[in-house]
Amino acid sequence: EPEVTQTPSHQVTQMGQEVILRCVPISNHLYFYWYRQILGQKVEFLVSFYNNEISEKSEIFDDQFSVERPDGSNFTLKIRSTKLEDSAMYFCASREGESGANVLTFGAGSRLTVL
Amino acid sequence: AQSVTQPDIHITVSEGASLELRCNYSYGATPYLFWYVQSPGQGLQLLLKYFSGDTLVQGIKGFEAEFKRSQSSFNLRKPSVHWSDAAEYFCAVGARAAGNKLTFGGGTRVLVKP
Repeated sequence: EPEVTQTPSHQVTQMGQEVILRCVPISNHLYFYWYRQILGQKVEFLVSFYNNEISEKSEIFDDQFSVERPDGSNFTLKIRSTKLEDSAMYFCASREGESGANVLTFGAGSRLTVL
Repeated sequence: AQSVTQPDIHITVSEGASLELRCNYSYGATPYLFWYVQSPGQGLQLLLKYFSGDTLVQGIKGFEAEFKRSQSSFNLRKPSVHWSDAAEYFCAVGARAAGNKLTFGGGTRVLVKP
């Protein structure tokens, strides 16, 4: 069964450092998402991406965050200068498109720990 | 804005007993509704979904859920729980009008006693 792959599974970084989380969506999927889950809290929407541009972003997704799809397969989330409160599990998801209706397939997540 | 409430943070159930997880949503139009499961160290796996039609939907692993518009609920059920069902369960609501993004509930952690 096709799956969404995320790397790294766990990253520890110092506050103020840049972090890039990588995702390989399912190959024929057209819509891509990042969500995050702070320990003990809800899974929260960060950003959606379609046709090489952001289609929607939440208020969490401020100027410290960026996304790109540099090579047609990877979908990355960059946090420019990490803060303690960025510590969370980050989930990537992809969706096929209109024919796939609204079913998102999630990756296993990348746990980010900011010290 | 759409929202989802899962009233139970933890549920403990004996193996072989039935399980029901509650989910209430708030959305102005007809929502798309989902249940995802997250096992330790794993991602979010789709259990089942409701888009339209029959309000009782069947999913994987023996789970089912019933959409009740009058109660704004989408409760998840399983008649007989297995130890492998111990996990965290998330209800989510989405809609094309909301840009297809999902809004999740806070999750319910299920513990299974032998």
